[in-house]
Amino acid sequence: GQNIDQPTEMTATEGAIVQINCTYQTSGFNGLFWYQQHAGEAPTFLSYNVLDGLEEKGRFSSFLSRSKGYSYLLLKELQMKDSASYLCAVRDLDDKIIFGKGTRLHILP
Amino acid sequence: DTGVSQDPRHKITKRGQNVTFRCDPISEHNRLYWYRQTLGQGPEFLTYFQNEAQLEKSRLLSDRFSAERPKGSFSTLEIQRTEQGDSAMYLCASSPGWTNTEAFFGQGTRLTVV
Repeated sequence: GQNIDQPTEMTATEGAIVQINCTYQTSGFNGLFWYQQHAGEAPTFLSYNVLDGLEEKGRFSSFLSRSKGYSYLLLKELQMKDSASYLCAVRDLDDKIIFGKGTRLHILP
Repeated sequence: DTGVSQDPRHKITKRGQNVTFRCDPISEHNRLYWYRQTLGQGPEFLTYFQNEAQLEKSRLLSDRFSAERPKGSFSTLEIQRTEQGDSAMYLCASSPGWTNTEAFFGQGTRLTVV
């Protein structure tokens, strides 16, 4: 089976840095995604990690440790528009993609 | 290609009626996924296809739900004898099928069962 855990909600201040953690337990692993989803909209792709380490893309970075079943998404220089849900998803060896419940991030001015 | 397209965007139906949703994936994407999402939750996996072959259907899905992808292009998701608990956003996503690529989502079909 598969289990993906991430915090339900987080709050941070505009201009600050926030780290959203994700832990997973899967029968097979072939990569981990982070998606952003604004209320009422479709999820949009942020990052994909298949090897251990940090992937940096502008203000967003994503880290993966396969041995620990752990990933995090790091958001820097937070802006009000970053208020959204952040979804952690795991791809298994059969290319099935399973999502966690998402983390709602609230940005305070 | 304008991305993954879903139709309709909104559907209101009476309990007990059947509904069918359509998803047109990005051209030449051979993987197609269906998810259901309720408020405050992440997308819940329903089923997925490799071309026209249905690879897996969620064990949580009742027999009232069926999906097809007859020619390996568009897909349909049918819900028979709808119940109020079926009210949700139904999301479709597609990917090329190569390992290091993401899935692209459509805008979803919001179903309300009254």
